[in-house]
Amino acid sequence: GIQVEQSPPDLILQEGANSTLRCNFSDSVNNLQWFHQNPWGQLINLFYIPSGTKQNGRLSATTVATERYSLLYISSSQTTDSGVYFCAVDHSGANSKLTFGKGITLSVRP
Amino acid sequence: DTAVSQTPKYLVTQMGNDKSIKCEQNLGHDTMYWYKQDSKKFLKIMFSYNNKELIINETVPNRFSPKSPDKAHLNLHINSLELGDSAVYFCASSQEQALSYEQYFGPGTRLTVT
Repeated sequence: GIQVEQSPPDLILQEGANSTLRCNFSDSVNNLQWFHQNPWGQLINLFYIPSGTKQNGRLSATTVATERYSLLYISSSQTTDSGVYFCAVDHSGANSKLTFGKGITLSVRP
Repeated sequence: DTAVSQTPKYLVTQMGNDKSIKCEQNLGHDTMYWYKQDSKKFLKIMFSYNNKELIINETVPNRFSPKSPDKAHLNLHINSLELGDSAVYFCASSQEQALSYEQYFGPGTRLTVT
C-alpha cells in the first residue's frame, strides 16, 4: 500500500514563529488531507489538497503531486496551534481509504 | 449543525462486555468509515460502507461488526471486549462519485477497557 512519511516528528516553536511541516508519499494520490488534532482529541480538517496551493488565514498548504510531497505552512504561530498535525492520502479515489502518516507534534510556547 | 456525530463520547467498560458506538452524518454523503486511533496516535482504517454496502474490511477481528441501517448511519458493535481494544474510534463520511473525495470526521469515541 501507499506509504506516508511526515517530518519532523516533533516541533517546538516560540509564539509568533513560522514553520513548515512536510508530508512525503510513495504513490500518486486522488486525495490528500491535512488535519489538526487538538489537545481534546478532535480531528479538524485543515485542507483537502491533492494538488495545488490553498490558503486559509495563517495556514497554507501546497501539494506537488508529481514530486509526491505536500507542505503545510503555519505563519505567526499561536499557542492554540499546538497539537498533532496529520497528513492522510488515498491512491484509489472512489471507495477510498485514507492512509495516515504518524503525525507531527507541534508545541507552541508563549 | 454537527456534520458527523458519534455517541457516546467516552465509554468505559470491562473485558468481556459487548458495546456499541453509533455514528450519524447529516451531510447527505453515501460513504461512511470507521477508523481506529491507538495509544501511539496512529490512525488506521477499519471499515467503509457505501450506500449500506460493506466496501472495505481491513483485517479487523470478527468481534467487530459494523452495521449500516441507512446511508446516514454506521454503527460499530464490539463483542467480547479486550484490553487491546482500548483506543479512540473515529467515524467519517465522504461523497463518492464527486469531484472531491474529502472525508469529514466525527469527534471520536474514547473506549477504555479495564
